[in-house]
Amino acid sequence: EVQLVQSGAEVKKPGESLKISCKGFGYSFSAYWIGWVRQMPGKGLEWMGIIYPGDSHTKYSPSFQGQVTISADKSISTAYLQWNSLKASDTAIYYCARHRSTGNYYDWFDLWGQGTLVTVSS
Amino acid sequence: DIQMTQSPSTLSASVGDRVTITCRASQSISTWLAWYQQKPGKAPNLLIYKASTLESGVPSRFSGSGSGTEFTLTISSLQPDDFATYYCQHYNTYTFGQGTKLEIK
Repeated sequence: EVQLVQSGAEVKKPGESLKISCKGFGYSFSAYWIGWVRQMPGKGLEWMGIIYPGDSHTKYSPSFQGQVTISADKSISTAYLQWNSLKASDTAIYYCARHRSTGNYYDWFDLWGQGTLVTVSS
Repeated sequence: DIQMTQSPSTLSASVGDRVTITCRASQSISTWLAWYQQKPGKAPNLLIYKASTLESGVPSRFSGSGSGTEFTLTISSLQPDDFATYYCQHYNTYTFGQGTKLEIK
């Protein structure tokens, strides 16, 4: 089955680091851009950035540039979203999602992970 | 930066109603628009892309139209499963609208 499976919920303290994952199954993971989308509690969707696992080329939203790091390991079909120092305002659900077409930089998301809830609280 | 603005923010309707949600772009985006449905506690689900192309498996009561700066998502006859939040996205800049919550009247 074609799917994206994300890592489980995390509870962290402010200042801690975190890396969450998104693993692809059932398709050629290297060939499709993967994006990350934030949803703060009770709020809408915010695009954070995308990565092409084939060569790890990334593009960030200006709002998230420097705040997070997106990476991928194509050998294990996994993309990552990483923070070096979490803040309470990073509390949100984070979704990974796949672009529809192979190699397309501008594309819609046709496949979504189930989401990872990150809670940052002292 | 291109801004995507949805209206209304909340819409109350009844089963069987025809409803329309609007998404406006701050400048022309041709037909680079997708629509997603999100139910509580679930990931978004693609409904429509290229402004008017229905994703495979999506019921035909959903339709999309528009080009340039004004787009609409129409549900021809609301079903109980359709009460959810809907988002438009300009996928050339990846920008989402703020969402429209469709509630039961």
